[in-house]
Amino acid sequence: GAVVSQHPSRVICKSGTSVKIECRSLDFQATTMFWYRQFPKQSLMLMATSNEGSKATYEQGVEKDKFLINHASLTLSTLTVTSAHPEDSSFYICSARGNYEQYFGPGTRLTVT
Amino acid sequence: SQQGEEDPQALSIQEGENATMNCSYKTSINNLQWYRQNSGRGLVHLILIRSNEREKHSGRLRVTLDTSKKSSSLLITASRAADTASYFCATDSTGGTSYGKLTFGQGTILTVHP
Repeated sequence: GAVVSQHPSRVICKSGTSVKIECRSLDFQATTMFWYRQFPKQSLMLMATSNEGSKATYEQGVEKDKFLINHASLTLSTLTVTSAHPEDSSFYICSARGNYEQYFGPGTRLTVT
Repeated sequence: SQQGEEDPQALSIQEGENATMNCSYKTSINNLQWYRQNSGRGLVHLILIRSNEREKHSGRLRVTLDTSKKSSSLLITASRAADTASYFCATDSTGGTSYGKLTFGQGTILTVHP
């Protein structure tokens, strides 16, 4: 099946710094990728839809200036958490849309101290 | 908006028993998908059922879909300790700009005791 990778798998950063998370589709081209966040023991919440070559579409309540998304190629989307704060600590998961299914990355655990 | 509701929120059973999880949703859908997530890990796609399908099987998994009631169920037969995980339903709704966007249910935490 299709493979989606994320890097890094875990990151710890200090409050006020920015963190970039990469999402790659390894064996297929993805014109659309999605970014989700998941708090402990909760479900996944869609943050934004990332479209190759155009601006991302953010869900209501998600700050586009805080969560910068770039989808520069058909195999790579990046999420940058700017000026991170402890409340941004979460599990961030990306997915890439195939023909019928979405293929999920393994997730990135962000801890902001 | 989060439209999927799942019940039960937690389910504890013995190995060999069957586990049934239910999911309800609110809008029209293209398909409904079930995923498994082991603690702290990514999602594993289990099964996809399209809106014009009523039942689907995959190994020990059986999924039903009732679009008139906007509900789905996931049955895991002859459960194993390795099935212990969180299970989520996710709906792919109709509509051009919504295509491909999944809305996840709250999930069911399944614990299978050896």
